[in-house]
Amino acid sequence: EAAVTQSPRNKVTVTGGNVTLSCRQTNSHNYMYWYRQDTGHGLRLIHYSYGAGNLQIGDVPDGYKATRTTQEDFFLLLELASPSQTSLYFCASSAPTGNYAEQFFGPGTRLTVL
Amino acid sequence: GDSVTQTEGPVTLSEGTSLTVNCSYETKQYPTLFWYVQYPGEGPQLLFKVPKANEKGSNRGFEATYNKEATSFHLQKASVQESDSAVYYCALMGGYKLTFGTGTSLLVDP
Repeated sequence: EAAVTQSPRNKVTVTGGNVTLSCRQTNSHNYMYWYRQDTGHGLRLIHYSYGAGNLQIGDVPDGYKATRTTQEDFFLLLELASPSQTSLYFCASSAPTGNYAEQFFGPGTRLTVL
Repeated sequence: GDSVTQTEGPVTLSEGTSLTVNCSYETKQYPTLFWYVQYPGEGPQLLFKVPKANEKGSNRGFEATYNKEATSFHLQKASVQESDSAVYYCALMGGYKLTFGTGTSLLVDP
């Protein structure tokens, strides 16, 4: 069973604050993803990576940085948090084979920017 | 870019009734299509993949047929149960990226 963990599970910060969300997967998957989930928008891809040191831009990257330090660890950085970044953030991992790549999701981090 | 459009929720049904969640897509690539389900307090999880045009994917009593001509893959279940209450997402894979619909919240009354 794929295991993806996220920390913290809840975070409150103020406008302009610096936030780092962490994700770890223990299944040797090469692909990892960061999504945000908002009512009326579903899940939207922020950044993704296909290996340590690699970063790919997703569909809603503005205001976010990401870093993949190892195959297991993927971080999302908000350097100047804004209220518009209040959201539920999910990390996911996958090991694509051909055109089939089930993504395994973590439990989510709820971020509130005051 | 790719896009996915699905039934807006919330949808409320009585136990034992049938469910249809409409989903259509746009892409310039040959799509790989999925249905994901998200239970309260959890991350999304794969419900099933719809493998090829005019073929059916299914799991836990849910099924969907990929209609290539109509660019659709509607989710159906003949008889819903209270435990099916969740948010359902259709998703399209292009490259190694998933594009999700906005999700359909289903509430099943016992």
